[in-house]
Amino acid sequence: NAGVTQTPKFRVLKTGQSMTLLCAQDMNHEYMYWYRQDPGMGLRLIHYSVGEGTTAKGEVPDGYNVSRLKKQNFLLGLESAAPSQTSVYFCASSYSTTDEKAWTEAFFGQGTRLTVV
Amino acid sequence: QKEVEQDPGPLSVPEGAIVSLNCTYSNSAFQYFMWYRQYSRKGPELLMYTYSSGNKEDGRFTAQVDKSSKYISLFIRDSQPSDSATYLCAMLGGGAQKLVFGQGTRLTINP
Repeated sequence: NAGVTQTPKFRVLKTGQSMTLLCAQDMNHEYMYWYRQDPGMGLRLIHYSVGEGTTAKGEVPDGYNVSRLKKQNFLLGLESAAPSQTSVYFCASSYSTTDEKAWTEAFFGQGTRLTVV
Repeated sequence: QKEVEQDPGPLSVPEGAIVSLNCTYSNSAFQYFMWYRQYSRKGPELLMYTYSSGNKEDGRFTAQVDKSSKYISLFIRDSQPSDSATYLCAMLGGGAQKLVFGQGTRLTINP
């Protein structure tokens, strides 16, 4: 049982390049999230998904796109990378039931360290 | 204004001290209050959660929620060097489907 796996773990991009970060979970979770973590800013929600085929904007969605074609995968795309997108990106997933309590535990991946030069 | 505010620290205390970590929030719809712990270069992990107001204790850790003041706290008793990490508060509720985090407080326990 791998939990939440992020690919790649490290990446250096040049300004203007594009890339896709992959998040895969094997826990059959409904909800998946993409966060970025910057010093002093905590975890800021980029986009999230409440189920296969659905996505929604979070706090800082500009410059990113997402897709959830399969329940177990949540992709984060950068179409034209900018230095301001240098960050550590975390994917998370959580259970979804009618009981909100089940949402309290989100399982995180190990993070992707992205540098845009 | 961010929905959840947390002092980023850093906070450095001697081993054995009682540590108090705090967050304030503005969204009165929040009902679930969580504390996550994040070790360096790792993803956050859930430490404990509390529903609505009140206290919850788990070993050396106590979480408190005061909804009237929109203020939550995490207390660590008999702190250990292994408690050195970043602690993030997180909140959820009101039918919202997104988990909102504070900025995180970096804590160092000195032997």
